[in-house]
Amino acid sequence: EAQVTQNPRYLITVTGKKLTVTCSQNMNHEYMSWYRQDPGLGLRQIYYSMNVEVTDKGDVPEGYKVSRKEKRNFPLILESPSPNQTSLYFCASSLDGLVFTGELFFGEGSRLTVL
Amino acid sequence: AQSVAQPEDQVNVAEGNPLTVKCTYSVSGNPYLFWYVQYPNRGLQFLLKYITGDNLVKGSYGFEAEFNKSQTSFHLKKPSALVSDSALYFCAVRAPTGKLIFGQGTTLQVKP
Repeated sequence: EAQVTQNPRYLITVTGKKLTVTCSQNMNHEYMSWYRQDPGLGLRQIYYSMNVEVTDKGDVPEGYKVSRKEKRNFPLILESPSPNQTSLYFCASSLDGLVFTGELFFGEGSRLTVL
Repeated sequence: AQSVAQPEDQVNVAEGNPLTVKCTYSVSGNPYLFWYVQYPNRGLQFLLKYITGDNLVKGSYGFEAEFNKSQTSFHLKKPSALVSDSALYFCAVRAPTGKLIFGQGTTLQVKP
């Protein structure tokens, strides 16, 4: 089954404790992206990757890191989480890289709470 | 600057009645427009898109959307709402850089 898999789905952590949210897709997609969803703000892009070893900042990259060493994986790293990073996070992928006419496939989401 | 606006936080409709969820956009060049749906505790799912061609676009689950260039709108519609259509709906526009810009979302509540 074609899918985007995120882990963990739920996480409660404390300020400053490094964490990684993994994302993996099995559709051989070129493009991957991370979003955060906050009430009243919709989805905001954190980072995206057009292809392996190519990543770029989205609208709200502060406090986050990503890497794209393999095509299928795109982990989101919070080196020192803070309470304002409490949010619902989505990973998404798309077949299109540079010419985006297709659709995004989303993971189920990861709800992160930073105390 | 590219942007998407969904003027209604929530839309309430009775089952069997037609529904409309509104979206307006601002983008340079020809717009690529999308609708996504998010059911509770799930990720977003693609519903439909407008790239070019017929102004009325048909998508999944009986939904359709009407592109209106003069009004810069892309409203989502369905002739007869179902209770199972209750969800959060997002309109999105592709920016010239290739990324998607999402609206704030509209909660659709369909009552039996």
